[in-house]
Amino acid sequence: QSVLTQPPSVSAAPGQEVSISCSGGGSNIEKNYVAWYRRVPGTAPQLLIYDTDKRASGVPDRFSGSKSGTSATLAITGLQTGDEADYFCGAWDSSLNDALFGGGTKLTVL
Amino acid sequence: QVQMQESGPGLVKPSGTLSLKCDVSGFSISSGYYWGWVRQAPGKRLEWIANIFHSGYTVSSPSLKSRVTLSVDTSTNQFSLKMTSMTAADTAIYYCARRRGPTQSSFYFDSWGQGILVTVSS
Repeated sequence: QSVLTQPPSVSAAPGQEVSISCSGGGSNIEKNYVAWYRRVPGTAPQLLIYDTDKRASGVPDRFSGSKSGTSATLAITGLQTGDEADYFCGAWDSSLNDALFGGGTKLTVL
Repeated sequence: QVQMQESGPGLVKPSGTLSLKCDVSGFSISSGYYWGWVRQAPGKRLEWIANIFHSGYTVSSPSLKSRVTLSVDTSTNQFSLKMTSMTAADTAIYYCARRRGPTQSSFYFDSWGQGILVTVSS
C-alpha cells in the first residue's frame, strides 16, 4: 500500500514496554529504510531511529527499531512519563518517488 | 548542534504565494546534506514538500512540484521555500529540516525547526 499506517494511540504503565507498528507496502517499508520520530506538541520533531534500526545521536537504548516485510516496529522499554509524545514513522516510496509519513501514534504513559 | 528556525508570514491570501525562510546555525549549508521542508495540515499526516542541496539541486514531492520553488543562500546560511497558488488546503505548520542519508532509500530528517503556522485566508 502507498500509505504508512500506524495505530492512533497506545498506552502502557511506567516501566513497561510498548511497541508501535507502522504498516506499509512493497515499494516503501519492504524496499527502503524506515525512520522514527517523536514530537511533543509545540516542539520540533526529534529523530529517534534511522535506517530502520539505528539510534540517532543521544537516543537511549530503550528505543529500538526493526522491520519484517512490509511492517516496521518501534519498541520502547522502561517507559517513563517523559516518553509521552506523538510518534511517527517515515520511509521513501520507490514507486511514488515520494517520502511517506505515518499518521502518528499518541503514546500515553499511564 | 545544528539549529533551524523558520520565518515568514503567518497569513497568506488565497491564490497568493507563500514565502518562507529557514535560518540554519551550528552547521554550514555549503558543507553538504539536503535541506528540506515538511508540513502538517490540521488533522492530517506529515507531508514532505521538497529538498535542496547546497548546489541548488532540488527534489520535490510529485504532488507539489509544479507549485514549489526552493533556493539556498550559502552566504547567509539560509534556504527558502516559495509555494504558489495557495488555497485553504495549504493551511499547515511548515517545518524546515535537514535531510540525511546517502541514498534516496535512506530518507530521514535529523534536525528540525520548531515549525511555523501558515494560514491561508482572505
